[in-house]
Amino acid sequence: EPEVTQTPSHQVTQMGQEVILRCVPISNHLYFYWYRQILGQKVEFLVSFYNNEISEKSEIFDDQFSVERPDGSNFTLKIRSTKLEDSAMYFCASRNARFSYNEQFFGPGTRLTVL
Amino acid sequence: TQLLEQSPQFLSIQEGENLTVYCNSSSVFSSLQWYRQEPGEGPVLLVTVVTGGEVKKLKRLTFQFGDARKDSSLHITAAQTGDTGLYLCAGAWNTDKLIFGTGTRLQVFP
Repeated sequence: EPEVTQTPSHQVTQMGQEVILRCVPISNHLYFYWYRQILGQKVEFLVSFYNNEISEKSEIFDDQFSVERPDGSNFTLKIRSTKLEDSAMYFCASRNARFSYNEQFFGPGTRLTVL
Repeated sequence: TQLLEQSPQFLSIQEGENLTVYCNSSSVFSSLQWYRQEPGEGPVLLVTVVTGGEVKKLKRLTFQFGDARKDSSLHITAAQTGDTGLYLCAGAWNTDKLIFGTGTRLQVFP
């Protein structure tokens, strides 16, 4: 069964450093998302992406964040200058455009630790 | 701002018992998903409901969407230890952005 994959599974970085989190969505999906989950808190929406453009972004997704689909398979989230409060699990999700019921399939996540 | 309230937050039961968890909002959903999440892993989609009054079954799990599309419930019949986990509802209103509830943490004891 096709699934969303994410790398790395765990990333440790120093405050102020740039990180890139990578995702490979399900191959025939056209809508892509990033969510994050701070330890012990709710899963929160960051950004949605379709047709090489951001469709919607949350207040969390400020100028330090960017997303890119550099080729036909990868979808990346970049944090330019990490802060301590960016420590969280980051989940990528994707959706098939043929389904209008907003069924989003999530990857296993990347645990980001900012020291 | 749309909010999803889930109840109960925690549920601890014996194997074989039945249980129901609830997901409520003050706004009408355009769609609602139920996910299950294990520690350190991503949410796994269980079901999507879109029509008011809709009932969907997944083995021993029964999902119901309220007539007004503002609430949903998940009922598990004859719980098993393998049902232990965090159950999340997630709703969307007018866009595809998912708003997640705080979850119900279920522990099933043998």
